[in-house]
Order: sequence, then structure tokens, then C-alpha cells
Amino acid sequence: EVQLVESGGGLVQPGRSLKLSCVASGFTFSNYGMNWIRQAPGKGLEWVAYISSGSSYIYYAETVKGRFTISRDNAKNTLYLQMTSLRSEDTALYYCARRTTGDYWGQGVMVTVSS
Amino acid sequence: DVVMTQTPVSLSVSLGNQASISCRSSQSLLHSDGNTYLSWYLQKPGQSPQLLIYLASNRFSGVSNRFSGSGSGTDFTLKISRVEPEDLGVYYCFQHTHLPWTFGGGTKLELK
Repeated sequence: EVQLVESGGGLVQPGRSLKLSCVASGFTFSNYGMNWIRQAPGKGLEWVAYISSGSSYIYYAETVKGRFTISRDNAKNTLYLQMTSLRSEDTALYYCARRTTGDYWGQGVMVTVSS
Repeated sequence: DVVMTQTPVSLSVSLGNQASISCRSSQSLLHSDGNTYLSWYLQKPGQSPQLLIYLASNRFSGVSNRFSGSGSGTDFTLKISRVEPEDLGVYYCFQHTHLPWTFGGGTKLELK
């Protein structure tokens, strides 16, 4: 069974940093590209970043480019999102999702940016 | 950026009836590799989104055949035949042909 479990969220002050993790199981993690997708409270979905299976291709939404870094450790079956210079508008539930099609999603982890 | 416009924003249907959701893109979603990277998701209340349709018209594994996707270029439709209670929630279209990838604003399916 494919499982994606996010962690690392919490309350953080504007301008500070936070690193999210997504641990994958039930499939060969190193064979699949992965995404981070977020959802602000009561709002729709926003694609954040993508990384290919071997980390050769990395893409970002303009809203996070230069502030967020997506990475992965295939030996640990783990996807990461390093978030810096956080803003109030980054407050959201952050999901990791497998493949460009988003065929499987985690349950999400909440990030709240507030002073 | 490619703008994905979903209509209607909300849809009230009676159980057993058909529902249809439109998704229009501001640019053609036909990729140079010949594929159309348009997906549909359902987010049930309190849950993560779940993939229904990929490549515009392919049903994902385990998805009921009451769900069907169609369209090409800039015009796409998701149809749900014989709506059941478990179909209620918010539907999103998503394009990953052009960077940055973008979602539609969502369509909330409710019971009449």
C-alpha cells in the first residue's frame, strides 16, 4: 500500500525557516517524481514544487522560487521542503504527492506563519 | 501562467442524476510530446485530494466508471453519472503541461 506521511509543520514567525519531510513507503521511491502542493485554510489547491526521481529536474511556483528548496534522499525514502523567509501567505496545509499526476497524496502537514 | 477556469463554482445535484463540470485553460494543454497533461481530483470533506482522471480521459485505478473525462486543447469536462453520496466534495482540474503547473479554482458538488 502506497503511504506518504508528512511531518515538520508548526507555528513559525514571519521571516523564519522550517523544513518539511515526507516519508514514503509501499513503492520504490527512487523511481518516482514527487510534488509539494499546498492549500491555504478554506482555499483551493496550489502547486508548490516538483522534483524528478533522480533530482535532475526541479521546478517551483513563482510564489516560492528563491525561498523554498525541494530535495530528496532516495536512500531514506524521504522528500523534503526547506522553507525560508516565510510569510503569512505561506500559511497552509502542505501535501506531498507522487508523480506529476499526483496519483497518491499524504494527509498533509499544517504550517502557520504568524507573529 | 496558464489560468484554469472551472465552472460552475458550485453544483447542486439530486442523487442518481448526472453532474458535469467544465475546465477551460488559457492555453492549449497539448504537450509537444503528444500528451495532454490534464488531471481531475476530488477532495472529500476533511480528506486529501484523490486522483480521478489523468491525461484528460484516463480513469485512475479503482475509480468508478461513473466518472469520465473528456476534452482536448483548452476545453475539458468531467462527467459524473448517477451521483452517489460519496461523490460529494470539491473537484479540481490541474494542468502539468506548462510550467508553472496550475489548478482550477474548484467546483463544489452538493446535494439538492
